[in-house]
Formats: sequence, structure tokens, C-alpha cells
Amino acid sequence: GDSVTQMEGPVTLSEEACLTINCTYTATGYPSLFWYVQYPGEGLQLLLKATKADDKGSNKGFEATYRKETTSFHLEKGSVQVSDSAVYFCALSVPGNTPLVFGKGTRLSVIA
Amino acid sequence: EAGVVQSPRYKIIEKKQPVAFWCNPISGHNTLYWYLQNLGQGPELLIRYENEEAVDDSQLPKDRFSAERLKGVDSTLKIQPAELGDSAVYLCASSRSLQQGHTEAFFGQGTRLTVV
Repeated sequence: GDSVTQMEGPVTLSEEACLTINCTYTATGYPSLFWYVQYPGEGLQLLLKATKADDKGSNKGFEATYRKETTSFHLEKGSVQVSDSAVYFCALSVPGNTPLVFGKGTRLSVIA
Repeated sequence: EAGVVQSPRYKIIEKKQPVAFWCNPISGHNTLYWYLQNLGQGPELLIRYENEEAVDDSQLPKDRFSAERLKGVDSTLKIQPAELGDSAVYLCASSRSLQQGHTEAFFGQGTRLTVV
């Protein structure tokens, strides 16, 4: 079945450090890929997405590139801020309007 | 545009009692999802509606869980009777179907259920 594997957290970084959260997937079809973010006490918010190979999604300084050859969609940011502290979820959805399948999430803590 | 609205935000009940959660999706979104999120885990699908029809409820524990989406808009999720293991966050999400089938879901803030 379809699945998403994320690097386990928690990840603790100092402000202005570089961030990479690894995500790989297994899918029966050609999926769309997503990163969602969940701030404390809040619901999930879409951070960025990519719908085909080599697409790069970007938002709020975060980027992720759809790599079909390595079935990966790693999340990156060049300089993190304290306000980026949250849980990040990688997810996929295959054609046919199937529901999102989520990874287990990676908790990021950024300290000043 | 208003987002997905869920209520209540928090609910504490004793085990064996019933509980219900309500969700109002984004206007125009024909697809509605209920997800369960346990502590430290990613969301897991409970049920998916296309308009009024439940098209994927394979993960819904039907002995105690039920859901409905009357008129293809609002939805309620019910647990009766609740068990201690049902303590979790229940997330509602909605999306608009696209021709190519690639959709993104918008989530409500969730209902945090504590069963004591």
C-alpha cells in the first residue's frame, strides 16, 4: 500500500541553522506530495506541495523537490527561526481523489 | 474564505459515555474527511465522504463509531460508547475534487477528546 516514511525527531536547531527533514514514499500510482505543518494546539496547515517529478514546492522559505528517481521529497530551509518550531508532516495522495496518507511527523524545536 | 470549522475544541467524558463531534467544511468542497491523530503520530483516515456518500470507511470501527453527512455539507462523528483508548485528536478536513485527481486538503483545528 501507499506509505510515507519521515526521519524521526525531535530535531533541535539553533536559530539561523539549516534544516533538512527527510521524507521518502511508496505509492501504487503517480502521487502528489505535500508538506503540512502543525503548530502547537492547532490543526494541520498546508506548507507546500508538488504534483509531478522535478517540481519544487516552496513557501515561507521552505522548499522541497519531487524526486521520482529516489522517491523522496525532503523539506529544506536555509535559516530557521524560533517561529518555525512545530511538527512537520510529509504526505502523499495518488490520482483518483484518494485521501492523504501521512508520515508520523517530525517535531522541530528552534532555540534562540 | 472561512476555513474548516470543528466543534467542540475540547471534550472530556467518562468511559462508556457517548460523544459527538461536528464539522463544517469549506464552502464548495465536496470531499470531507475525518482523521484520527494519536499523540506523536500522523493523522490516520477514519472515513471519507464524496458529497453525501461514504466512499472509504474501511478504517472506521463500526461497532462504536458512526458518521453522517446530511445534505453533503456538515458532518458529525459519533462514538458510543467511548473507551479510554479513544482519547486522541479528531481532525476534519475538506477538499475540492479536481479532474486530474490531485487534491489538497484543508484541516480544521481538531477536537481533542479525553476519556477518563
